[in-house]
Amino acid sequence: GENVEQHPSTLSVQEGDSAVIKCTYSDSASNYFPWYKQELGKGPQLIIDIRSNVGEKKDQRIAVTLNKTAKHFSLHITETQPEDSAVYFCAASMCSGNTGKLIFGQGTTLQVKP
Amino acid sequence: DAGITQSPRHKVTETGTPVTLRCHQTENHRYMYWYRQDPGHGLRLIHYSYGVKDTDKGEVSDGYSVSRSKTEDFLLTLESATSSQTSVYFCAISEESLAAALCEQFFGPGTRLTVL
Repeated sequence: GENVEQHPSTLSVQEGDSAVIKCTYSDSASNYFPWYKQELGKGPQLIIDIRSNVGEKKDQRIAVTLNKTAKHFSLHITETQPEDSAVYFCAASMCSGNTGKLIFGQGTTLQVKP
Repeated sequence: DAGITQSPRHKVTETGTPVTLRCHQTENHRYMYWYRQDPGHGLRLIHYSYGVKDTDKGEVSDGYSVSRSKTEDFLLTLESATSSQTSVYFCAISEESLAAALCEQFFGPGTRLTVL
C-alpha cells in the first residue's frame, strides 16, 4: 500500500523567512496530494492541493511542487508570519471513482519566531 | 469546519466499555471518513462510507465498527474500548462531482477519547 514520509518533523524559522516541508510517497498510482494545516485543538484544514497532471500550484504565500518521477512533493511558505505556526500534514491519494482514501505523513511542527 | 460537528468533543471511559462517537454533517456530502490521530503517525483511516449503509474498512479498522443509516450521520463504535484506542478521532467528508472526482476532504473538530 501507499506510504508517505514527511520531513522535517520540526521546523523553526524567523518571521519573514521561507519554510519548506518535503514529502515522499511510494505508490506511483497516487494522483492527488493535499496539504493540511492543523492548529492546536482543531481539525486539519485543507490549505492547498495538487494533482498529478500539474507540476506546481501557488496560492498567495504558499506553493506546492510535485515531482512525479522522483515521487516527492513539497510545501513552500514564503514571508512566514507567526500565525503560520501550526502542524502541517501532507497526504497522498489515488483519487478515483469510488473514493479517495488519504494516506498522511507524520506531520511537521512549524514554529515562526517573531 | 465545513458544516461538520462531532460529539462528544471529549470523553473519558474505562477499558472494556462500549463507546460511540458521532459525526454529523450539514453538507449532504456522499463520502464520510473516520480517522484517528496519534503522535508520530499522522492521521490514519479507520473506516469510511460511500453512501447510506455502504461502508468499508481503512488501514486500522480492528476493534472498530461503523454505521451510516442517514446521509448526515456517521457513527464510530468501539465495542470494548482498550487503552490502545486512546486517541483523537476526526471525521471527514468529501463529495464527488460529475465534472471530476473531488478528492478534497474536510475535517471536523475532533473528539479526544481517553480509555483508562
